[in-house]
Amino acid sequence: DVKVTQSSRYLVKRTGEKVFLECVQDMDHENMFWYRQDPGLGLRLIYFSYDVKMKEKGDIPEGYSVSREKKERFSLILESASTNQTSMYLCASARTGSNQPQHFGDGTRLSIL
Amino acid sequence: AQSVTQLDSHVSVSEGTPVLLRCNYSSSYSPSLFWYVQHPNKGLQLLLKYTSAATLVKGINGFEAEFKKSETSFHLTKPSAHMSDAAEYFCVVSERTYKYIFGTGTRLKVLA
Repeated sequence: DVKVTQSSRYLVKRTGEKVFLECVQDMDHENMFWYRQDPGLGLRLIYFSYDVKMKEKGDIPEGYSVSREKKERFSLILESASTNQTSMYLCASARTGSNQPQHFGDGTRLSIL
Repeated sequence: AQSVTQLDSHVSVSEGTPVLLRCNYSSSYSPSLFWYVQHPNKGLQLLLKYTSAATLVKGINGFEAEFKKSETSFHLTKPSAHMSDAAEYFCVVSERTYKYIFGTGTRLKVLA
């Protein structure tokens, strides 16, 4: 079974802090994704990565950056956290191919005070 | 362009009765379609996928879905609802690598 592990289930940070969310997958998937999920807005893609050190902006990249130094690990960085970044963050991984399903972690519920 | 519409934002059923969650899609190519379930404060779990093989797809926990190209639909069904099925369900379409389009979700409530 594919395992996608997000480092924290719940996280509370202060405005202006630099925040790191970590995600690790154990199935050697090429592709990894970061989403945020907000009530009424569904899942929105922040960034994805199709290879080590390669990344592409999603639909809402502003205020975020990512890092993929190793194939199994994909980090989301909030450079200077703001209250409007309070959300549920979901990491996913997938093999290459449109017929390949994404596999999700359990999510990190991030609160910015 | 791809799009996906989940026709009901909320569905309520009684325990032991059938479940029908509706999903219509739009795609220029032969899409892949997926259903996911999300329990409170959890990630999304894959229920089943359609990838141009059999049009009736069986998934986990007794769920199945039928791909109907003429109706551009991929509705999720289960013959008998269980209390543990109460969750949010997402229909997803993909027609090319990296591009997954999510529906807005259907919240299923199961009444005792």
